[in-house]
Amino acid sequence: GENVEQHPSTLSVQEGDSAVIKCTYSDSASNYFPWYKQELGKRPQLIIDIRSNVGEKKDQRIAVTLNKTAKHFSLHITETQPEDSAVYFCAATLHNNNDMRFGAGTRLTVKP
Amino acid sequence: KAGVTQTPRYLIKTRGQQVTLSCSPISGHRSVSWYQQTPGQGLQFLFEYFSETQRNKGNFPGRFSGRQFSNSRSEMNVSTLELGDSALYLCASSPQGRSTDTQYFGPGTRLTVL
Repeated sequence: GENVEQHPSTLSVQEGDSAVIKCTYSDSASNYFPWYKQELGKRPQLIIDIRSNVGEKKDQRIAVTLNKTAKHFSLHITETQPEDSAVYFCAATLHNNNDMRFGAGTRLTVKP
Repeated sequence: KAGVTQTPRYLIKTRGQQVTLSCSPISGHRSVSWYQQTPGQGLQFLFEYFSETQRNKGNFPGRFSGRQFSNSRSEMNVSTLELGDSALYLCASSPQGRSTDTQYFGPGTRLTVL
């Protein structure tokens, strides 16, 4: 099955700085990579996703990059704001056998 | 469309008891997945149901079971509760499956085992 490692486990940045969270996966056949944001006491919500036929995707201050050769993908948040503070989870899925694994999560703190 | 709903939201049980949790997916979604979330272990996949059939299962003991009804609503059952079962149980629905579609999570059921 798929294994997903996520780093760092905690990240603290100053408001306005950029934040980068990286995930690596083990199965080269993985083809769908979503990112979820979970604020304290709330449910995880999808913020951005990318499929294996694309190298980069951007949505305002959030971007995800995928390196299929190295089997890693990263979440980039620019101009961070205090409301970006949350736990972020990456995931990698394998369409052929309906498998999916989450990373362990990154707790991002944006200091005002 | 209404979002994913879970009942109950909070539950307190004692060791040895059993519990049933319910999840109603977004209308039209046929896949329901269950996850256990604890501070130390993150999001752990329990199982996925699609069209009333279990499609995939995580590494949990047989005390954890589930089912899905014809209207796509799903229930999860935990028998012989242990202290370590205390966690937030999240369900998520998607149109065709967690490996291909965006998953939408419910608010969760927080289970406390005393």
